[in-house]
Amino acid sequence: SQTIHQWPATLVQPVGSPLSLECTVEGTSNPNLYWYRQAAGRGLQLLFYSVGIGQISSEVPQNLSASRPQDRQFILSSKKLLLSDSGFYLCAFSGSNQPQHFGDGTRLSIL
Amino acid sequence: QKEVEQNSGPLSVPEGAIASLNCTYSDRGSQSFFWYRQYSGKSPELIMFIYSNGDKEDGRFTAQLNKASQYVSLLIRDSQPSDSATYLCAGGSNFGNEKLTFGTGTRLTIIP
Repeated sequence: SQTIHQWPATLVQPVGSPLSLECTVEGTSNPNLYWYRQAAGRGLQLLFYSVGIGQISSEVPQNLSASRPQDRQFILSSKKLLLSDSGFYLCAFSGSNQPQHFGDGTRLSIL
Repeated sequence: QKEVEQNSGPLSVPEGAIASLNCTYSDRGSQSFFWYRQYSGKSPELIMFIYSNGDKEDGRFTAQLNKASQYVSLLIRDSQPSDSATYLCAGGSNFGNEKLTFGTGTRLTIIP
């Protein structure tokens, strides 16, 4: 069966520090991968979308970046975090005949 | 711009009653629709999807799609306190294997 793993579950970082969140998918090949952010009490904001290794589409201009070094690995990064980067970060995958499924998410707090 | 709109609620329904959640979409090219349930502090969980006009039933859940009216709904029969959550409606054009347009969600509370 297909599963998605996302870590860490929670993270507290100071302003200006770097960020690296990782997501991996098992049980499927060549998935589409997504990074979303959800601010408290708000809807889902699509940040990045990838259809293959090294292929990243950025949906919202910001100080975040994403990379896909392997078929089933998706990484969200920042060189310097801002207070406004706080939120609930969600990784998701989809495949042929397989709608989007989400990982458990990372709750990021910036101090 | 593609949009999916939902009433933000909160929607309060007595236990055992039918909860009705509604969603409208602007893109006539949308072919597939999804309902996700999100408990407070948790990630969204896919509970229903529908591609064809009409009704689709799965246990206590029924999804309804009317492409002419660009309207999608989710009915929850025999509502339980465990159904209290935010429900997200999403639309797409490739049966889920693509970017989806999400609504902002409807918060549902089932009153015991």
